[in-house]
Amino acid sequence: AQKVTQAQTEISVVEKEDVTLDCVYETRDTTYYLFWYKQPPSGELVFLIRRNSFDEQNEISGRYSWNFQKSTSSFNFTITASQVVDSAVYFCALSEADNNAGNMLTFGGGTRLMVKP
Amino acid sequence: AAGVIQSPRHLIKEKRETATLKCYPIPRHDTVYWYQQGPGQDPQFLISFYEKMQSDKGSIPDRFSAQQFSDYHSELNMSSLELGDSALYFCASSWGAGYQETQYFGPGTRLLVL
Repeated sequence: AQKVTQAQTEISVVEKEDVTLDCVYETRDTTYYLFWYKQPPSGELVFLIRRNSFDEQNEISGRYSWNFQKSTSSFNFTITASQVVDSAVYFCALSEADNNAGNMLTFGGGTRLMVKP
Repeated sequence: AAGVIQSPRHLIKEKRETATLKCYPIPRHDTVYWYQQGPGQDPQFLISFYEKMQSDKGSIPDRFSAQQFSDYHSELNMSSLELGDSALYFCASSWGAGYQETQYFGPGTRLLVL
């Protein structure tokens, strides 16, 4: 069963628009971490943020903000005033404390964001 | 800051050949992970090593093997290559092997099997 779901496979916006990328996860663990990574056209995976399951405070970093809601098992990512350089595939990922889960990251299917000038 | 180094960056092989991918973790990182990303897909975990011992195993084919050396670099050995092995192979590293550790990814090795 898919543990991390990114329902939006592709989003297209015009520069300066705000955009929210959705991430829904499922886990039986009460202890886990959630991550967001960015994969630009060049292909590398760039770490953006890590959030543990006990910290539901929203976080803002420049134009980026993250909304973590345990009640809905969601960890959404908003880019404010999008720029062409934000064009990339964005992955949400889950790491569970369960010993059987190991220390691997389980990724969502990714959301391709295209920001047009 | 130093990042994860992977070599080679691109590799072209024929079916049934072998390939070796190398990964040099961020200095002082003791854990290495390997992921495979097929075209248009999300990265899939293959295997990880902590302090030179295998720590977790994912969907790694039996034709693949990996190890971590005393200097913490890791190599992924792939034999009897198949067309379906064509993918982007990422190595990631972290300080510590816990679920809470942030994995920092290298630029990837793009393998094409003809």
